Amino acid sequence: GENVEQHPSTLSVQEGDSAVIKCTYSDSASNYFPWYKQELGKGSQLIIDIRSNVGEKKDQRIAVTLNKTAKHFSLHITETQPEDSAVYFCAATRAGGTSYGKLTFGQGTILTVHP
Amino acid sequence: NAGVTQTPKFRILKIGQSMTLQCTQDMNHNYMYWYRQDPGMGLKLIYYSVGAGITDKGEVPNGYNVSRSTTEDFPLRLELAAPSQTSVYFCASRLQGGDQPQHFGDGTRLSIL
Repeated sequence: GENVEQHPSTLSVQEGDSAVIKCTYSDSASNYFPWYKQELGKGSQLIIDIRSNVGEKKDQRIAVTLNKTAKHFSLHITETQPEDSAVYFCAATRAGGTSYGKLTFGQGTILTVHP
Repeated sequence: NAGVTQTPKFRILKIGQSMTLQCTQDMNHNYMYWYRQDPGMGLKLIYYSVGAGITDKGEVPNGYNVSRSTTEDFPLRLELAAPSQTSVYFCASRLQGGDQPQHFGDGTRLSIL
């Protein structure tokens, strides 16, 4: 089955700096890679996703890159703000067919943005 | 819309007790999931359902049971609580098809002592 490794486990940055979180996956058939943000005491919320036919996707201060050959994808947050402080999870799946949307998650990264 | 609602938010159980974690969604999503989240371990899939009357095991199903009698509800049952089941439990749902995003509830923090 799929295995997703996420690094680092904790990340501390100053407000305004950039933050990068990296994930690797094992199943070359995985083709959909979402990123979730989990705030304290809340469920996870999708913040951005990327499909295997795209190398990069950007949404305001957030971007995700995908390297299919190396089987890794990364989340980039620019101009970080204190409200970006949360736990971030990457995930991977084979979209469609009998996968039924089941996601394999990375271990999570605790991001702390200091004012 | 309320989205995905989980109850209770917190619960303390004694070893051997049983309980049901409730999950309901009002988005008419076919697919529903139960995860547990342990520190430093990410979310692990316990059970999932692709529609009313259909359930299947995920990665870590031992010690749990589920049912799906309606589209809206997907309760998770612990029959004989064990300390290893101390965790935060999340329910999620999504539309069928393609790469639809999962929508999560706010979780149930369960401690078994």
